[in-house]
Amino acid sequence: GAGVSQSPRYKVAKRGQDVALRCDPISGHVSLFWYQQALGQGPEFLTYFQNEAQLDKSGLPSDRFFAERPEGSVSTLKIQRTQQEDSAVYLCASSRYGQQETQYFGPGTRLLVL
Amino acid sequence: KNEVEQSPQNLTAQEGEFITINCSYSVGISALHWLQQHPGGGIVSLFMLSSGKKKHGRLIATINIQEKHSSLHITASHPRDSAVYICAALDRRGADGLTFGKGTHLIIQP
Repeated sequence: GAGVSQSPRYKVAKRGQDVALRCDPISGHVSLFWYQQALGQGPEFLTYFQNEAQLDKSGLPSDRFFAERPEGSVSTLKIQRTQQEDSAVYLCASSRYGQQETQYFGPGTRLLVL
Repeated sequence: KNEVEQSPQNLTAQEGEFITINCSYSVGISALHWLQQHPGGGIVSLFMLSSGKKKHGRLIATINIQEKHSSLHITASHPRDSAVYICAALDRRGADGLTFGKGTHLIIQP
């Protein structure tokens, strides 16, 4: 595709609800990254895939957060039993191959947990 | 884990001024990214560098590996350069993903 797309762009959830955020990377990009950006802060790394393999999930804040990329293209970030502190913009990025290449960012999903 | 600090946090300047944004990091890196984020969230990668200097149009990025410091310069600044500029460091092991600074909020007044 022309760029990285994410859906939904905005999501309002009630506390305790499960949410799923989708990322469509640039076609052919091997690497995919998820970041969390709280209001007024820089992004923070969550997890990284190379094809379907999740190589690094050290940034996931709790076991309520789960990411997958089963066929090595589209990825889903799932947050179970959402809490208010999960409110943030969730950014997805992809690169041709690896962390040492330019990353192309999606527009983000703004999640608000009430 | 790397700590990435940016300065200044906020910068307001007049159109045409030369702008410098600084970034320092605490541990050795394999690459440093400069990113631009406009209101509404869209992030664009400006540079990725591991040594020396890169130039693209009116933007110049430099890095000093020994001093663990990078700068982003904008020459002949324009109101459309108004955005948040973020630096992000990738440590040598490539582990833990990118570590981001908090960003510099730049406003260029006409």
